Amino acid sequence: DVKVTQSSRYLVKRTGEKVFLECVQDMDHENMFWYRQDPGLGLRLIYFSYDVKMKEKGDIPEGYSVSREKKERFSLILESASTNQTSMYLCASSFIGGGVGANYGYTFGSGTRLTVV
Amino acid sequence: KQEVTQIPAALSVPEGENLVLNCSFTDSAIYNLQWFRQDPGKGLTSLLLIQSSQREQTSGRLNASLDKSSGRSTLYIAASQPGDSATYLCAVMMDSSYKLIFGSGTRLLVRP
Repeated sequence: DVKVTQSSRYLVKRTGEKVFLECVQDMDHENMFWYRQDPGLGLRLIYFSYDVKMKEKGDIPEGYSVSREKKERFSLILESASTNQTSMYLCASSFIGGGVGANYGYTFGSGTRLTVV
Repeated sequence: KQEVTQIPAALSVPEGENLVLNCSFTDSAIYNLQWFRQDPGKGLTSLLLIQSSQREQTSGRLNASLDKSSGRSTLYIAASQPGDSATYLCAVMMDSSYKLIFGSGTRLLVRP
């Protein structure tokens, strides 16, 4: 069964800490994404990556950075955690290519609920 | 700018009912549309994906349709069960950017 694995289900961090959220996929997907989900705001894209060492800003990149040194791993970094970054963070991956009819669907991890105090 | 809307925001039905969840989008130039299920505090599980050239997809008791020209998709759940209780999200992928734009979801409760 294909998987996207997020290293932590729950995290509690202090304001000002540097926080690393890790995501690993075993499907050899080129694309990887980080979203955050908040009540009333839905899912919002933070960053995504088309390939190793490549990254693109999403809709809300401020306060975050990412790292993709290997194809299977995509890390989200909170440089200096703040209370407004308390949220559910969801990682996803998807495939490129295959032409008409190919499955470009996303596979999501189970999420990391981060609380910044 | 693409906007995705889901109606209703919440729905409560007795077990056994057939039900329809609605999703609409403002820009018809989509690559595909995907329906997800999310249980409380969990990640998203993909249910069905419809390519822009397709009209519908079926999986078990679930059937999703797509009318790209009118900017609408429906998720039909037959013979609902309490285990179907969850939030259902639709999302569209624009052209080849591979980014998904999500609706705000429909929270479904199936009462025993």
